[in-house]
Amino acid sequence: AQSVSQHNHHVILSEAASLELGCNYSYGGTVNLFWYVQYPGQHLQLLLKYFSGDPLVKGIKGFEAEFIKSKFSFNLRKPSVQWSDTAEYFCAVPHSKAAGNKLTFGGGTRVLVKP
Amino acid sequence: EPEVTQTPSHQVTQMGQEVILRCVPISNHLYFYWYRQILGQKVEFLVSFYNNEISEKSEIFDDQFSVERPDGSNFTLKIRSTKLEDSAMYFCASSEVAATGSNQPQHFGDGTRLSIL
Repeated sequence: AQSVSQHNHHVILSEAASLELGCNYSYGGTVNLFWYVQYPGQHLQLLLKYFSGDPLVKGIKGFEAEFIKSKFSFNLRKPSVQWSDTAEYFCAVPHSKAAGNKLTFGGGTRVLVKP
Repeated sequence: EPEVTQTPSHQVTQMGQEVILRCVPISNHLYFYWYRQILGQKVEFLVSFYNNEISEKSEIFDDQFSVERPDGSNFTLKIRSTKLEDSAMYFCASSEVAATGSNQPQHFGDGTRLSIL
């Protein structure tokens, strides 16, 4: 079964600091990879996705993630965070690349950006 | 941007009672899902639904759970006899079908917080 781990449960940083959140998955085949964000009181929103091609993926709001197949990792980065990036971030991996597949989520990382 | 909508936002129910959680997926999406998140734990898959039948279900989704698409817009999760451990946030999601048949991102609703007393 697929498993997804996020290394940090809580991250606190100041505005303009750089952010990197780790995500590792267990499945060794070709995968799709997602990062979702949940702002306080809101629903899970797709931040970015990797399907194939360039392993460096650009998402919304200045976020990017790098797929490193050899490390089974898909780390999320942002060079300079803002207070509005305060949220919980979830890495998610579908069971396979076929349509309609269930997502396995990491435990989430709560990010608090201090103004 | 179209959204997945869930009602109610919060449901409080006595243990042993039946509860129905409602979802309206995005209109052109054909795959529907329910997930739940118990406080302090991971988001867990419950069930997926396509073409009016369950595609996959987790071991959590036992006989007390059922899903239904009663009309062209709603997608419901019913818990027949609720238990204390059913207290969680329940998320509905939907995704479209790509021409290639490959995975598409799932779009989530705001969730229903279910509290069992």
